[in-house]
Amino acid sequence: AQSVSQHNHHVILSEAASLELGCNYSYGGTVNLFWYVQYPGQHLQLLLKYFSGDPLVKGIKGFEAEFIKSKFSFNLRKPSVQWSDTAEYFCAVTTNTDKLIFGTGTRLQVFP
Amino acid sequence: DTEVTQTPKHLVMGMTNKKSLKCEQHMGHRAMYWYKQKAKKPPELMFVYSYEKLSINESVPSRFSPECPNSSLLNLHLHALQPEDSALYLCASSQGQGSYNEQFFGPGTRLTVL
Repeated sequence: AQSVSQHNHHVILSEAASLELGCNYSYGGTVNLFWYVQYPGQHLQLLLKYFSGDPLVKGIKGFEAEFIKSKFSFNLRKPSVQWSDTAEYFCAVTTNTDKLIFGTGTRLQVFP
Repeated sequence: DTEVTQTPKHLVMGMTNKKSLKCEQHMGHRAMYWYKQKAKKPPELMFVYSYEKLSINESVPSRFSPECPNSSLLNLHLHALQPEDSALYLCASSQGQGSYNEQFFGPGTRLTVL
């Protein structure tokens, strides 16, 4: 069965620190990859997506992610986090089933 | 308009009540979704409508009954729910159902079943 793993369940950082959140998926075929963010009390928003082409994808708010096919990974990065980045981050994939499968989420807390 | 709206924001209901959740989008999207999200968990797909027809039902109990009256509206009718059904119910829409389509999410309805 297709699945998405996010190994960092809770990450605590100080402002200006660099961020990398891991995401691995299990599926041997073609995948489309997404990172969503859920700020406290707000709806899920798309940060970035990868369908094909350049494996380094830039999204909103200074986030980027790199698709490494050989590692089945799509890690999210930001060089310098801000307090306003405090949120829950979900990696998600779609495959040939057209269903959006979410990872378990990573809670990021950024302290000033 | 790039919004998905959901009403009500909060709902408290007893186990014998009948209530409905509503979702609306005016982006011309032809696929609409219901997800259930428990606290500190990822959203779980419940139903998918494509061109107003139910295309995916993820083995959801019959006490949840979806309805798509037109391409802009999606309802979720609730009847005889259990306390474990308490959760955040999210609606989403996308241009089409295919895997290349970005889904836009609404803010959710927080449901409490007493």
